[in-house]
Amino acid sequence: LAKTTQPISMDSYEGQEVNITCSHNNIATNDYITWYQQFPSQGPRFIIQGYKTKVTNEVASLFIPADRKSSTLSLPRVSLSDTAVYYCLVGGAGRRALTFGSGTRLQVQP
Amino acid sequence: DADVTQTPRNRITKTGKRIMLECSQTKGHDRMYWYRQDPGLGLRLIYYSFDVKDINKGEISDGYSVSRQAQAKFSLSLESAIPNQTALYFCATSDPGTGWAGYTFGSGTRLTVV
Repeated sequence: LAKTTQPISMDSYEGQEVNITCSHNNIATNDYITWYQQFPSQGPRFIIQGYKTKVTNEVASLFIPADRKSSTLSLPRVSLSDTAVYYCLVGGAGRRALTFGSGTRLQVQP
Repeated sequence: DADVTQTPRNRITKTGKRIMLECSQTKGHDRMYWYRQDPGLGLRLIYYSFDVKDINKGEISDGYSVSRQAQAKFSLSLESAIPNQTALYFCATSDPGTGWAGYTFGSGTRLTVV
């Protein structure tokens, strides 16, 4: 199983850009990189997914270098409502279930 | 209606009791999963099913069993509940076809074993 390593916690202020980096050194060729957001007592919510290079949607960007051994989730201009735990997962449509790490707890201050 | 529905939302049970948590989905996904989350920790995989006849153990399956009654239903049972099974339980679904679109999670079941 592809193991991921993320910072345990990060702090930011409203309006700032936040970048959370995830290491996944043993990513497999057919693995995708997916990021989830979780609020207390709620199920994780899909944020963004990528395979290589850069992906952008309405809430975030995902940067993946050529070797794919890491990825960076970028949240532009965070607000208080972005305070949550963010999980990086590596895997895909193969016959493996995704394994969650401990995630990164982001605290946004006013 | 939610794509993935878990029942009950909250449950308090006594040690030694058998309890079933239910999950149903309307997404038409073949793959379903049960995860457990303890306070301040990430999610740990209990069981997963890639279709009705395919059941697989996850990293913490001891003390749990599952039943995939239909494509849309996946139940988790605690045969004899113990206090350290007090946790938040999540069901999820996924579709391996046409690329990988990640998991869809239910809202969770908060289980307390006293």
